[in-house]
Amino acid sequence: QVQLVESGGGVVQPGRSLGLSCGASGFMIRTYAMHWVRQAPGKGLEWVAGITYDGSNKYYVDSVKGRFTISRDNSKNTLNLQMNSLRVEDTAVYYCVRENAGFDIWGHGTMVTVSA
Amino acid sequence: QAGLTQPPSVSKGLRQTATLTCTGNSNNVGNQGATWLQHHQGHPPKLLSYRNNNRPSGISERFSASRSGNTASLTITGLQPEDETDYYCSAWDSSLSGWVFGGGTKLTVL
Repeated sequence: QVQLVESGGGVVQPGRSLGLSCGASGFMIRTYAMHWVRQAPGKGLEWVAGITYDGSNKYYVDSVKGRFTISRDNSKNTLNLQMNSLRVEDTAVYYCVRENAGFDIWGHGTMVTVSA
Repeated sequence: QAGLTQPPSVSKGLRQTATLTCTGNSNNVGNQGATWLQHHQGHPPKLLSYRNNNRPSGISERFSASRSGNTASLTITGLQPEDETDYYCSAWDSSLSGWVFGGGTKLTVL
């Protein structure tokens, strides 16, 4: 069964760091670009970051540039997101997503709450 | 980061046809086309259409997409109660080097 499972969410204070991981099963991520997409409470979907199949290129939404780092380990079939200098406005459900012409496979998401 | 423009809400009757729109510019929708997602809260979003009118396996033929210039559209025919939910468009933006989403349209089936 093709699926993505996120982990690492939780409650963190503003300015602190948190790392998210995403494990894939049923397929190998090495041939796909992968992304993180988030949804803040009561808001719409927002693309956060993406990485090409081989990790050679990384892309970020302006609001997280310099604070978040996306990475992948194709040998372990995992995708990661390191989030530093977290802000209250980063509070959201974070989804791990496979790109295959469109965003075709989504995890169930992990909640990140940034609060004092 | 500028996003795509979707109407916040659309209402149509049972078994009627709804057309949802998504407006961008020549760097995103007008260049790469749009993809469409259906999102029931509490569940992961589901891809309905990619590259304007290609449906993934398992998606009903009631869902069809098109594009005219910088505006993409999703047409849902024979509306059913389970179609009542949120719909998002997205596209790769070549000037931003990133993906952009629309704000989402809440479809109500009366």
